[in-house]
Amino acid sequence: NAGVTQTPKFQVLKTGQSMTLQCAQDMNHEYMSWYRQDPGMGLRLIHYSVGAGITDQGEVPNGYNVSRSTTEDFPLRLLSAAPSQTSVYFCASSYVGTGEWAYNSPLHFGNGTRLTVT
Amino acid sequence: GENVEQHPSTLSVQEGDSAVIKCTYSDSASNYFPWYKQELGKRPQLIIDIRSNVGEKKDQRIAVTLNKTAKHFSLHITETQPEDSAVYFCAASIDGAGSYQLTFGKGTKLSVIP
Repeated sequence: NAGVTQTPKFQVLKTGQSMTLQCAQDMNHEYMSWYRQDPGMGLRLIHYSVGAGITDQGEVPNGYNVSRSTTEDFPLRLLSAAPSQTSVYFCASSYVGTGEWAYNSPLHFGNGTRLTVT
Repeated sequence: GENVEQHPSTLSVQEGDSAVIKCTYSDSASNYFPWYKQELGKRPQLIIDIRSNVGEKKDQRIAVTLNKTAKHFSLHITETQPEDSAVYFCAASIDGAGSYQLTFGKGTKLSVIP
């Protein structure tokens, strides 16, 4: 198992450019999510998905789009990059259980993408 | 939405001493509380979690306690070692209310001095 794979590891963009951060998992996890990590701010949820064809917004969704066409892949698109989007981005996935603890499963994180927007 | 406060933001301890990190949460509906460890330049990794039906959970040198009435939970690391140096994040999840968001605290940088 490769777990959660993110590409690229590093990226530099100019303001206004667009790009897609890739995320793939091979654990057959239903739940996938994107977080950004900024110094002193912890991990903030951008978007998440509980299955193919289903996505929803997190705490900081503006400027980002996602889609979930397969269980394995959950790409994050930056529509028009801004310096405020300079951050480390983590993709994470987890198993979705049943019953009382339906969504309370440990997150498995990818290795992150360090994005700089100039 | 849920709000998770974490203290302290930095913590330095001598090797062998204990370390305690505390978190409070705002929504009484939260019922899952994981802790993640992030070493420098690495991804966060789960070290322990606790659910609202228990008050304490231990795993070797690590323990987590939960006080639902006061809405706070704590991470305890005993006999600290240099490899415990990292940033630790607490989190809370509001499950069962149609929301699947895991809200993180802002992190505690733990330094263990040899």
